[in-house]
This record gives sequence, structure tokens and C-alpha cells, in this order.
Amino acid sequence: KNEVEQSPQNLTAQEGEFITINCSYSVGISALHWLQQHPGGGIVSLFMLSSGKKKHGRLIATINIQEKHSSLHITASHPRDSAVYICAVLLKTSYDKVIFGPGTSLSVIP
Amino acid sequence: DGGITQSPKYLFRKEGQNVTLSCEQNLNHDAMYWYRQDPGQGLRLIYYSQIVNDFQKGDIAEGYSVSREKKESFPLTVTSAQKNPTAFYLCASSEAGTGASNQPQHFGDGTRLSIL
Repeated sequence: KNEVEQSPQNLTAQEGEFITINCSYSVGISALHWLQQHPGGGIVSLFMLSSGKKKHGRLIATINIQEKHSSLHITASHPRDSAVYICAVLLKTSYDKVIFGPGTSLSVIP
Repeated sequence: DGGITQSPKYLFRKEGQNVTLSCEQNLNHDAMYWYRQDPGQGLRLIYYSQIVNDFQKGDIAEGYSVSREKKESFPLTVTSAQKNPTAFYLCASSEAGTGASNQPQHFGDGTRLSIL
């Protein structure tokens, strides 16, 4: 069993739909990171959170430390949101060890 | 603007050759990392460096080597000992290493390595 899992693996949505991507993990963490990987491969950071909820524009990330679960929501989805979304957890170890989930590939159709 | 620059974007290697992937950052970050990404898998750590002149093996270091002679540079060499080098390689950096609390990593745009 992978230490960080994401669901769904692939997701196709119509423009304007509300999207949810889930991340669950089985290890103790200090924080969780949501990343967006563009089709060209570059990765940008969306959120880093250790509790509660964060919002930036149409993106909302939540985390439940007790349940070891995080969700990334996209409201009013747009074709430019098409990308791979990666959940990564920072472990409570002596260095900044990060475990990455396998990613969720999102395609938003006009 | 500050950021991480990886070059080249695409790289081809003949069997038996060593190749070096460049990673430069102007973020003044102490820590730098190299990851490998294969289709359908999460990023896996190859090597990391928390400070100049020091680096540590990650989870899949066999067949790779690195150096950290300057704070801004962390080149990765894929040696001929790496039997399956075809992959997408990502470099990242963060403000601090050991003991840092929740420092986000910043990523480059990656280098795609293929075997001829």
C-alpha cells in the first residue's frame, strides 16, 4: 500500500463543474502540499497546509489531520485548470523528506 | 524574478554514456533536491543537499551522482550504471534543510531524458 494515495487517478469534467480531488496518507506528517504539474512538466505550488482550510481564487484546500485526509476543490472549473494535481506530504523526520502521491490527471472540456 | 532553471529541457543519451543535468537557483535557498518521475508514479528522491559541500542519498541514488560546490547549483550526473535512465527529472529547492518547519519546495520545469 502506498503511503500517499490520490483519487481519482483520472478525471474529466465539463467547464464550470465543481471538482474535488482527494488525498489520503498513512504516515505522520508536519504538512501537506498540493502541487500542479503543467502538461510541459513544470510544477508549481498551490497550497501548503497543516490544518484547516486555505483558499486562493477558485481553489480551496482542506485537511483533516485526524482522518489523514486532504481535499483539493476547484470551483467553476476552466480548461486552463487541466493539469496533473499532486499531493505531497512532509514527514516528521530529521530532514525535509517529502512523499509524493501518484497524481490526479484532470481534463476540463469546454 | 527568482526561480529554478533546469537545462536542457530534453536530453538524449547513448548507451554507456554519462550525462549531466543542470539545476541552478537564484532563490538563495540552502536545500536542493533531485527527483525522478516515471509515468503513473509519484516523484522519487534521488539525492538531496541541505547545505553547500554536503549531499545525501535519497531513495533511488544508485546510478546517479551529484555535487554541491556552489549554493546556487546542484548538477545531477546520470551514469552508465543507471540501467533505466529514461525518465523525467525534476530539481527542487527549499529555504532550509534539517529541522526546517514546513518549508515548501520550489520546482524547476524538468528535464526529459531519453536513451537513443
